[in-house]
Amino acid sequence: GAGVSQSPSNKVTEKGKDVELRCDPISGHTALYWYRQSLGQGLEFLIYFQGNSAPDKSGLPSDRFSAERTGGSVSTLTIQRTQQEDSAVYLCASSLVLGLDSTDTQYFGPGTRLTVL
Amino acid sequence: RKEVEQDPGPFNVPEGATVAFNCTYSNSASQSFFWYRQDCRKEPKLLMSVYSSGNEDGRFTAQLNRASQYISLLIRDSKLSDSATYLCVVIRGSTLGRLYFGRGTQLTVWP
Repeated sequence: GAGVSQSPSNKVTEKGKDVELRCDPISGHTALYWYRQSLGQGLEFLIYFQGNSAPDKSGLPSDRFSAERTGGSVSTLTIQRTQQEDSAVYLCASSLVLGLDSTDTQYFGPGTRLTVL
Repeated sequence: RKEVEQDPGPFNVPEGATVAFNCTYSNSASQSFFWYRQDCRKEPKLLMSVYSSGNEDGRFTAQLNRASQYISLLIRDSKLSDSATYLCVVIRGSTLGRLYFGRGTQLTVWP
């Protein structure tokens, strides 16, 4: 079946502009996650959504970052007034449910490579 | 101190070699452990979970030592296709769903 998809695959923007990144999770997955991967920093958690529960936003680096998930499916990560340090690959993942077990494996999308000039 | 620490490598080994990667985690509340594999400019993919008793999947063996907060991955009979970055990942029981990643260990297998 179809995996997690993300768009755009690449985004180049100017400092100060807003950007929106989109994620389509695997159909039927209730949990959706956003991570980012910067050079030399590894992968860091940003936010996750589980069903209708309030999202865990504890990983968002600043109030310029926000995310929403409409209808329990598609999610959009928005970065306002982008800065050069926002340049990274933004990865979305989804899992069937939220939990500890390996059956709740997070499947990653191909990512959006964001470059802020 | 980072939540998950790994030796970044790179490890360069010939085909057929055995190679081991190590990882330590700082939070004793960590409850689930995984190895992910990430190919160059691709997304991470789950390689295997790590269980307390140790587990094996073909040429790959994972071990967990909770007392030392230490995780390992052993790859036997390395193949060219094993070349990738291997990411050590943990989940804390208190923050379900949030994966904590090590920075990864880069492996290159040469013919």
